[in-house]
Amino acid sequence: GDSVTQMEGPVTLSEEAFLTINCTYTATGYPSLFWYVQYPGEGLQLLLKATKADDKGSNKGFEATYRKETTSFHLEKGSVQVSDSAVYFCALASYGKLTFGQGTILTVHP
Amino acid sequence: DTGVSQNPRHKITKRGQNVTFRCDPISEHNRLYWYRQTLGQGPEFLTYFQNEAQLEKSRLLSDRFSAERPKGSFSTLEIQRTEQGDSAMYLCASSLEGKDEQYFGPGTRLTVT
Repeated sequence: GDSVTQMEGPVTLSEEAFLTINCTYTATGYPSLFWYVQYPGEGLQLLLKATKADDKGSNKGFEATYRKETTSFHLEKGSVQVSDSAVYFCALASYGKLTFGQGTILTVHP
Repeated sequence: DTGVSQNPRHKITKRGQNVTFRCDPISEHNRLYWYRQTLGQGPEFLTYFQNEAQLEKSRLLSDRFSAERPKGSFSTLEIQRTEQGDSAMYLCASSLEGKDEQYFGPGTRLTVT
């Protein structure tokens, strides 16, 4: 069945550091890929998406590129802020439902 | 557009009691989804509706769970004879048919004592 694997966390960075959160997936066909973010005390918010190979999704300085050859969708940001502290979930969409990774906790210190 | 809303936000119940949660999707969205999220894990799919039709149910959805969307608008998720293992965050999401992105509500946190 479909599955999503995220890098082991948590991740702790200083402000303005470079962020990478790894995500790989297993799926039949060519699913759409997403990153969702969950800020403390809030619900899941869609951060970015990509629907086909080599697409790059971007939002709020975050980027991720759909790599079919490596079945990956790694999340990157060039300079993180304290306000980026949250839990980040990679997900794929297949046959109408989302399959999520286990989430990566990001903490950014001033 | 007020987003997806869920009620109640928190529910504490004793083992063996029945509970019901409500989800109101984004008004123009015809698809509605239920997920369950336990601490430290990503959400897991439970079931989804297109309009009033329930199109898929996960094996996670035991016979004690039932979901409805009678008029194709709001949905309810009922858990009968709750068990401690049912303690989790129950998330609702909605989407437009043909669009993969789903928009989530704030969730209902269930604690079974």
